[in-house]
Amino acid sequence: DTGVSQDPRHKITKRGQNVTFRCDPISEHNRLYWYRQTLGQGPEFLTYFQNEAQLEKSRLLSDRFSAERPKGSFSTLEIQRTEQGDSAMYLCASSHFPRQGAGETQYFGPGTRLLVL
Amino acid sequence: GQNIDQPTEMTATEGAIVQINCTYQTSGFNGLFWYQQHAGEAPTFLSYNVLDGLEEKGRFSSFLSRSKGYSYLLLKELQMKDSASYLCAVRLNAGKSTFGDGTTLTVKP
Repeated sequence: DTGVSQDPRHKITKRGQNVTFRCDPISEHNRLYWYRQTLGQGPEFLTYFQNEAQLEKSRLLSDRFSAERPKGSFSTLEIQRTEQGDSAMYLCASSHFPRQGAGETQYFGPGTRLLVL
Repeated sequence: GQNIDQPTEMTATEGAIVQINCTYQTSGFNGLFWYQQHAGEAPTFLSYNVLDGLEEKGRFSSFLSRSKGYSYLLLKELQMKDSASYLCAVRLNAGKSTFGDGTTLTVKP
């Protein structure tokens, strides 16, 4: 179990550019979540996948945001035409569902910190 | 909308006990989680409650009252390394969870 990994860890981009982040979940986990977190706030749910199916998307996820999990393993989150308001930490988490008793604990990756200039 | 309230900041002394409260008003409830998050790091799981009562795990305990929409996290024998943000999160349905903004705990010698 190597844990959830995310790449890159930091990204600085100019407004209007596109960026793509990658998340590799814990290998046996079938669920993968994306969250966004800004300073002083808790994580905000963006979307989640079960295997390769995207089951729910937040209304926060505008049409500039798209996420994929093509083979049910790693996932990518793309932001098109970035805006300064997109600056945040983007967190990925994975879990095994269903799992008896433990309430589907989500294991978080280290996050990708995005700064849009 | 979903509403989760936690105190913004708390301070406690090393070796003491601290209780961090969380109240929630949400459209669904499938369990309540507590996470610890050190500055600049990802959240890590501490506890999970889905039924009323107290769950104890070492120095950490978590309590839930579903009828009152209330939970607390109890930290005993505080250590300096416990200085962190503590996040309360409610699982709304089979997938989505909503998080509070966290309580920043500072442990002083």
